[in-house]
Amino acid sequence: QVQLQESGPGLVKPSQTLSLTCIVSGGSISSGSYFWSWIRQPAGKGLEWIGRIHSSGSTVYNPSLKSRVTISIDTSKIHFSLNLSSVTAADTAVYYCARGAIVPGGNYIFDIWGQGTMVTVSS
Amino acid sequence: EIVLTQSPGTLSLSPGERATLPCRASQSVSGSYLAWYQQKPGLAPRLLIYGVSSRATGIPDRFSGSGSGTDFTLTITRLEPEDFAVYYCQYYGSSPLTFGGGTKVEIK
Repeated sequence: QVQLQESGPGLVKPSQTLSLTCIVSGGSISSGSYFWSWIRQPAGKGLEWIGRIHSSGSTVYNPSLKSRVTISIDTSKIHFSLNLSSVTAADTAVYYCARGAIVPGGNYIFDIWGQGTMVTVSS
Repeated sequence: EIVLTQSPGTLSLSPGERATLPCRASQSVSGSYLAWYQQKPGLAPRLLIYGVSSRATGIPDRFSGSGSGTDFTLTITRLEPEDFAVYYCQYYGSSPLTFGGGTKVEIK
């Protein structure tokens, strides 16, 4: 059974770069049948899709964050990562990694999620 | 960008009642790329419905999805105690993928 687990610092200073890793276990991150995404949720608020990566290395980012986001993948180490630069308090949220199962038409649904990790931006 | 609006923000219902959760899109959703997720406190969202009306693996048949164009609905025919949670609709037809603001189903 595929499981995802986020890891990274829980506290980041303003203007610095937030870096998180999602470890994929119980399955192959190299499968072409999936996209791998990051999604965040500020406390008490809704969900915001950050971006996704495919095992081929192709990425798509949310335009609202595109200038600050980099998602990378390491298929040999079965993990993918998120870097979000120049963070502010507005980036404080629970960050989830999720597997996107590709459906007919080439789009994808989030069928497996990590448990989430809280990241606070504060000096 | 397709904006999804979920109103009301909270539904107060009793176990055994029927829940009807609406989701309205700012423009027509092509290709049936509309999904629903359930989220309980402190947990990650769980996929319930995709393709407007297809249940995900292991989802009970009391959950159903319907709709087309700009108006979609998640229906829970008889609320069980474990169904009290927040529900989000999601558009996944093109980037950026977007979520509605959520509807909380609380015990009356």
